[in-house]
Amino acid sequence: GESVGLHLPTLSVQEGDNSIINCAYSNSASDYFIWYKQESGKGPQFIIDIRSNMDKRQGQRVTVLLNKTVKHLSLQIAATQPGDSAVYFCAENLGGSQGNLIFGKGTKLSVKP
Amino acid sequence: NAGVTQTPKFQVLKTGQSMTLQCAQDMNHNSMYWYRQDPGMGLRLIYYSASEGTTDKGEVPNGYNVSRLNKREFSLRLESAAPSQTSVYFCASSLRVPSNQPQHFGDGTRLSIL
Repeated sequence: GESVGLHLPTLSVQEGDNSIINCAYSNSASDYFIWYKQESGKGPQFIIDIRSNMDKRQGQRVTVLLNKTVKHLSLQIAATQPGDSAVYFCAENLGGSQGNLIFGKGTKLSVKP
Repeated sequence: NAGVTQTPKFQVLKTGQSMTLQCAQDMNHNSMYWYRQDPGMGLRLIYYSASEGTTDKGEVPNGYNVSRLNKREFSLRLESAAPSQTSVYFCASSLRVPSNQPQHFGDGTRLSIL
């Protein structure tokens, strides 16, 4: 079946550097994408979303890029801080009547002080 | 703002026991969801409720039942718990289904079946 996957299961960055977390999706009909952050012992926390009619969307210190040609999604975190250490999930909405999300397995981001 | 509240936070059961996981949201959302999260795997949808009075199966519904008690509350029941149901269970809600709106999650129930 269709699935969302991640290129890198772990990512280690220095505090203050920029982080890029990548995600590949396989369903060309997906029309909505979300990035979540999950800290240990907590539920997924919404970070930013993007619709398929957009290529880029910016939030506070985060930017999501969508490349529909190669079915690729990325999350960029500027000036990474220790508090950014967490597991990051991408998810796609296949659309249609169900509307539920398909999640990737996650990338663990570790920020070194 | 409470958002999505799940109870209990932790539970240990013996094989064959039954249990109901509770979930409530205060965001006036129409749609609610139950997921399970296992190590090395993404979140997998068990059941969802697009609106009050409706429920539908997700990817992994076997061994579970759900009840949409009212607009705020959506419960998940394990009738006869099995060790394979050891997992972290998350409830989520969103404005509506189909939806280009994010789902908002609770902090989970950590369930162990011995």
